[in-house]
Amino acid sequence: GENVEQHPSTLSVQEGDSAVIKCTYSDSASNYFPWYKQELGKGPQLIIDIRSNVGEKKDQRIAVTLNKTAKHFSLHITETQPEDSAVYFCAASQTGANSKLTFGKGITLSVRP
Amino acid sequence: ETGVTQTPRHLVMGMTNKKSLKCEQHLGHNAMYWYKQSAKKPLELMFVYSLEERVENNSVPSRFSPECPNSSHLFLHLHTLQPEDSALYLCASSQNPGGPDTQYFGPGTRLTVL
Repeated sequence: GENVEQHPSTLSVQEGDSAVIKCTYSDSASNYFPWYKQELGKGPQLIIDIRSNVGEKKDQRIAVTLNKTAKHFSLHITETQPEDSAVYFCAASQTGANSKLTFGKGITLSVRP
Repeated sequence: ETGVTQTPRHLVMGMTNKKSLKCEQHLGHNAMYWYKQSAKKPLELMFVYSLEERVENNSVPSRFSPECPNSSHLFLHLHTLQPEDSALYLCASSQNPGGPDTQYFGPGTRLTVL
């Protein structure tokens, strides 16, 4: 089955700096890669996703890049703000019906004011 | 607010108790999920329901019993739990079961088993 690894497990950045979170996956058949953000006391919420037919996707300060050959994908947050502090989860799945979403362990991002 | 609500938000129970977790989605979705979230571990998928029919059961112990009476409601019945079952239990829904459909999560129920 799929195995998703996330590293580092914690990341601290200064407000205004960029943050990059990396994930690797094992199943070459996976072709859908979402990122979820979980704030304290809340459930995870989708912030951006990418499918394997593109290499990069951007939404304002957030971008995701995908390298299918190396089986890794990354979340990039620019101009970080204190409200970006949260736990971020990457995940991977295939796109068939009933395909299972496999999550990484999560990374705690702290943005220092 | 994601459109998925869970009650109770916190639950403390003894190992001999019977309790139920409730989830309701207001999004008109056809699929609902139960996940277990433990510290420093990936989210663990427990059950998937599609149109009230269970389509996935990830070898979950029988002390956890799901129920999906309709496409908007999902329950997780708990009995004779163990302390290691203490975790955050998350409910989610999506338009259809399967990876690429965005899953919307509820806030979770923080369960403590004494």
